[in-house]
Amino acid sequence: DIQMTQSPSSLSASVGDRVTITCQASQDITNYLNWYQQKPGKAPKLLIYDVSNLKTGVPSRFSGSGSGTDFTFTISSLQPEDVATYFCQHYGNLPYTFGQGTKLEIK
Amino acid sequence: EVQLVESGGGLVKPGGSLRLSCVASGFSFSAYNMNWVRQAPGKGLEWVSCISSSSSYIYYADSVRGRLTVSRDNGKKTVYLQMNSLRVEDTAVYYCARDDPSSGWDVWGQGTTVSVSS
Repeated sequence: DIQMTQSPSSLSASVGDRVTITCQASQDITNYLNWYQQKPGKAPKLLIYDVSNLKTGVPSRFSGSGSGTDFTFTISSLQPEDVATYFCQHYGNLPYTFGQGTKLEIK
Repeated sequence: EVQLVESGGGLVKPGGSLRLSCVASGFSFSAYNMNWVRQAPGKGLEWVSCISSSSSYIYYADSVRGRLTVSRDNGKKTVYLQMNSLRVEDTAVYYCARDDPSSGWDVWGQGTTVSVSS
């Protein structure tokens, strides 16, 4: 199985800060990588698919990059409503797996 | 409105059974592969199963294979997860998610809670 190692596990930043989360796959997953946002008590919400494609309606401050085994998720200017847990996910082959999650808080 | 709504969760004793349902609306359900994902209390996300649009392909996580069975009825726009021989470690919120090949797992249900306890 492909393991997805996400870091950091938690992060505290100020409004307006640039925030970066990384996800490393245990083997090459080409571009089969999604990023989700999950707020407490809610379902995950897709933000970015295929590494860098922003889902329609998602603010442009969210972005993704990377290839192969190393991927990055960035919020260019943190907003209060971005407080949530973020997960990466590979779906290139079975079983699909998720990163452990990054809990993002406002400082 | 494009929507998925899960139901069927509840409290069940170890060894018991439940059937979860996920009803789709607002899109052509029969054109999409569907997934089940679960989240144990305070934990991360775990993929459980997927079923192709015509039920030709079905896959399971090792942790549930042989106990959970996914199926779908395209006429009723519903995907099911039959859960047998339930274990305490199956306790989780179960989500269904649409797999759009051009835009990812873009639609998720609100989740239904399964609690397995004696």
